[in-house]
Amino acid sequence: QQPVQSPQAVILREGEDAVINCSSSKALYSVHWYRQKHGEAPVFLMILLKGGEQKGHDKISASFNEKKQQSSLYLTASQLSYSGTYFCGTGGDNYGQNFVFGPGTRLSVLP
Amino acid sequence: NAGVTQTPKFRILKIGQSMTLQCTQDMNHNYMYWYRQDPGMGLKLIYYSVGAGITDKGEVPNGYNVSRSTTEDFPLRLELAAPSQTSVYFCASSYGTDPLAYYEQYFGPGTRLTVT
Repeated sequence: QQPVQSPQAVILREGEDAVINCSSSKALYSVHWYRQKHGEAPVFLMILLKGGEQKGHDKISASFNEKKQQSSLYLTASQLSYSGTYFCGTGGDNYGQNFVFGPGTRLSVLP
Repeated sequence: NAGVTQTPKFRILKIGQSMTLQCTQDMNHNYMYWYRQDPGMGLKLIYYSVGAGITDKGEVPNGYNVSRSTTEDFPLRLELAAPSQTSVYFCASSYGTDPLAYYEQYFGPGTRLTVT
C-alpha cells in the first residue's frame, strides 16, 4: 500500500526550513528518501531502518517513528539546489516485493 | 563507472507495436528494478530481479515482460503497446545483501515513451 506524504507541495525562501512527512498504514522495516529534479532520475538521500540504523547525506536529517509508521525529512537552511520532488519509499520485511514509493512532495526554494 | 544506463532515451510507438527497453549496470549489483512514472506521479514498480535468472512481479506488471540472463542486463519488453503505457520508465539497481533494505537504489536516466 502506497505511503502518504505531506505536504503535497511547499514553497520556501532560501535559508528557511522545511519538514516533509511520510506515513504508512502497515508495519515498516525501512524508509528511503529520494529527491528528483525535473526531467532527471531520482537520487538517493537517506535510508532509515527499524532499530535506528540510518545512512545518508550529511546535510539532511530524518527521523523514523516505528510505532507510528512515520518518517520525517528535515531540510534546514534550504538552498536553491534543494528544489525538486521528494519521494519516500517504504518497505516491510520482504524488501523487493513490498517496497512502494509515495506520491511525492514538490519543494520549491526561491531566492 | 557508467552506473545504470538506459536506451533509448525517447521513443514513440503506435498502438499494438512492441519494443524492448534496455537497461545495463556496471556496479555488479544483484538487484535490479523497473519502474514507471506517470506525469506528476510517483514511481510504480513493474518488475524486479534478485539475480540472473530470477525475476518477480511488482505492483503493475500487466502488459510487460522481463528477463535477466546476466548480472548486468535487465531488459523490459512491452507487447502490444497501449496508450496507458505512455510514461517515463526508470531502471534501477542496488546491492542485495542482508539487510536488503539498507542499500540505496541507483537510477538510470529514464526512457520517455509515448504510445499513440
